[in-house]
Order: sequence, then C-alpha cells, then structure tokens
Amino acid sequence: GENVEQHPSTLSVQEGDSAVIKCTYSDSASNYFPWYKQELGKRPQLIIDIRSNVGEKKDQRIAVTLNKTAKHFSLHITETQPEDSAVYFCAALTGGTSYGKLTFGQGTILTVHP
Amino acid sequence: EAQVTQNPRYLITVTGKKLTVTCSQNMNHEYMSWYRQDPGLGLRQIYYSMNVEVTDKGDVPEGYKVSRKEKRNFPLILESPSPNQTSLYFCASSLGSMNTEAFFGQGTRLTVV
Repeated sequence: GENVEQHPSTLSVQEGDSAVIKCTYSDSASNYFPWYKQELGKRPQLIIDIRSNVGEKKDQRIAVTLNKTAKHFSLHITETQPEDSAVYFCAALTGGTSYGKLTFGQGTILTVHP
Repeated sequence: EAQVTQNPRYLITVTGKKLTVTCSQNMNHEYMSWYRQDPGLGLRQIYYSMNVEVTDKGDVPEGYKVSRKEKRNFPLILESPSPNQTSLYFCASSLGSMNTEAFFGQGTRLTVV
C-alpha cells in the first residue's frame, strides 16, 4: 500500500522567514496530493492541493510543488506569520485498486516566532 | 451551515464495553471516512465509504466496524474496545473520493481504561 513520509517533524522559524515541508510517497498510482493545517485543538482543514498533472500551484503565500518522477511534493510558506503556527499534514490519494484511499504523513509542527 | 458532526466529543469507557461514535454530514457527500490521530503517527485511515452500502478498509481497520445505511451517516463501532484504541478520532466527508476537499468533524477524544 501507499506510504507517505513527511519531514521535518518539527520546524521553528522567525516571523517573515520561509518554511518548507517535504513529503515523499511510494505508490506511483497516487494522483492527488492535499495539504491540511490543524490548529491546536481544532480539526484539520485543507489549505492547498495539487493534482498529478500539475507541477506547481500557488495561493498567496502558500505554494505546493510536485515531482512525480521522484515521488515527492513540498509545501512552501513565504513571509510566515505567527498565525501560521500549526500542525501541517501532507496526504496522497491512491489510485488503482485502492481507489479512494487517502494516506497522510506523520505531520509537521510549525512554530513561527514573532 | 454545511458541517460534519461527530458525537460524542469526549468519551471515557472501560475495556470491552461496546461503543458507537456517530458521524453525520449535511452536504450530500458521497465519500466518508474515519481516521485516528496519534502523536507522531499523523492521521491514519480506519475505514472509508464511497457510497451507501459500500465500505472498505483503510490502514488500521482492526477492532473497528462501520456501516453506511444512509448517505449522511457513517457510524464507527468498537465492539470490544481496548486501551490501544485510546485516540483522537475524526470523521470526514467529501463530495467524491477523488480530488476533492475532505471536511472533518470536530473530533472525538476516546479514552479506554
């Protein structure tokens, strides 16, 4: 089955710096890669996603890149703000015989210091 | 208001006492799933359902059951809970299984003693 590895597990940056979180996946049939943000005590919420026919997608300060050949994708947050502090999860949606199965990474705790 | 509602939010129970966590969505979503969240392990899928009467195992289905008799409801059943099922559980729904945002419930904090 699919295996998603996420790094780093914790990330600490100063306000205004950039933050990068990386994920690798194992199943070449995976074709959809969302990123979720979970604030303390709250539910995960989608912040950006990318499909396998796209290499990069940007939404204001957030961008995601996908390298299908290497089977990795990354989340980039520029000009970080204290409200970006949260746990971030990457995920991969499997195609093929396990259609509909969403596998998450282990999560990255991002702390933005004012 | 479009939402996914789980109940209860918090539950402390004893080993072996059957329990059900309910999940209901009002968005007419076809796809629903259950996850458990444990420190350092992220969100792991327990079961998912692509439509009424269609369910399938996720990564950690052992010790859990689900049913999907109606489109809006997707209860999670623990027939004989054990302490290793102590976790934070999330239900989620999406319009389809493919390429669409998953909306999560508020979470259920379960403790099995």
